[in-house]
Amino acid sequence: AQRVTQPEKLLSVFKGAPVELKCNYSYSGSPELFWYVQYSRQRLQLLLRHISRESIKGFTADLNKGETSFHLKKPFAQEEDSAMYYCALSGGNFNKFYFGSGTKLNVKP
Amino acid sequence: DVKVTQSSRYLVKRTGEKVFLECVQDMDHENMFWYRQDPGLGLRLIYFSYDVKMKEKGDIPEGYSVSREKKERFSLILESASTNQTSMYLCASSYQETQYFGPGTRLLVL
Repeated sequence: AQRVTQPEKLLSVFKGAPVELKCNYSYSGSPELFWYVQYSRQRLQLLLRHISRESIKGFTADLNKGETSFHLKKPFAQEEDSAMYYCALSGGNFNKFYFGSGTKLNVKP
Repeated sequence: DVKVTQSSRYLVKRTGEKVFLECVQDMDHENMFWYRQDPGLGLRLIYFSYDVKMKEKGDIPEGYSVSREKKERFSLILESASTNQTSMYLCASSYQETQYFGPGTRLLVL
């Protein structure tokens, strides 16, 4: 069965520290993986997707098929990175999406 | 810029009432989705639609129905609202596997 797991509900780091938000998935085919972000009082929006292999706002994520992981990383966290982060996968018919339970990132000054 | 709008930001309803949540997108997307967002549970798919008058159940369709009479509009219906349907409801449309979300409707069922 398709599943996305984000083991951390809350992650607190100090400004300037590295941050890694964990995401593991299970899927029987070849999924597309995404990270979505929701800043306070804003709508959920796409942060990055694995096929584009780009860095957005200093964040990167590498798809590790062997470990079925798609962890989100940033070398130096900023206070404006504080938000709710959701890992998601898309697969199968009709672009159905599966979201993880989310990790709240709190970057302290 | 893709625009997804939802008819209400906040709603308060009583148990047993029929509730309509409306979602409109302006980018001619074929796929539209309804999720509920609950702390600790993330986003859970209620229903989705891949074309006008077409719908598919998501992971938690019980107690909900949907309507898609026009391509740009996707409605979520709570036939008889219950307190366990108090939640944030998010609508989304998608194009090339990217989802575009509305601002959400926070529903409180008393």
